[in-house]
Amino acid sequence: GIQVEQSPPDLILQEGANSTLRCNFSDSVNNLQWFHQNPWGQLINLFYIPSGTKQNGRLSATTVATERYSLLYISSSQTTDSGVYFCAPTNDYKLSFGAGTTVTVRA
Amino acid sequence: DTGVSQDPRHKITKRGQNVTFRCDPISEHNRLYWYRQTLGQGPEFLTYFQNEAQLEKSRLLSDRFSAERPKGSFSTLEIQRTEQGDSAMYLCASNHQLTGPDTQYFGPGTRLTVL
Repeated sequence: GIQVEQSPPDLILQEGANSTLRCNFSDSVNNLQWFHQNPWGQLINLFYIPSGTKQNGRLSATTVATERYSLLYISSSQTTDSGVYFCAPTNDYKLSFGAGTTVTVRA
Repeated sequence: DTGVSQDPRHKITKRGQNVTFRCDPISEHNRLYWYRQTLGQGPEFLTYFQNEAQLEKSRLLSDRFSAERPKGSFSTLEIQRTEQGDSAMYLCASNHQLTGPDTQYFGPGTRLTVL
């Protein structure tokens, strides 16, 4: 399967700060999703982004498939952004997950 | 459009017992996936159905595990003779083969604790 490395593993932010999460993957992909896992374990879809750049409110994501990485930007962070962020690329149908980045936003 | 649902949300069992989990995908989604997530890790793929056919099983799925999707709608995942190492969150996801984008939608998960 595809090997996925996410960095940093942990991130502590003050409310209002901006941050960038990185996802490196080992193989070419035809799909990549970013998820936010809330404290109850629910995986919430953030982006479907096999390539290019997308924005959704304070979040945006960029995938450079030729260089095998994806970035998730969080701007003006809020306490509700806390949780674990996963990227999950695939080149067939099985999503491969990294270990995630745990984000803690302090008021 | 209701999301993916899973039942039960929590299950505590004693080692050696059998357990069964249910997943109801988003209606009209013909693909259904099971993943397992242990503490501090990302989810890992277990198995996948297209309609009622089980098309792939991960080597993580030992012979104590069986999954079915008898009518191409809901799916069940059964674990026989549970072991403490089976303690994990079991996640179900669904999508449709032809309607894009190829986004998998996850249910809330079933958290299994084996004592």
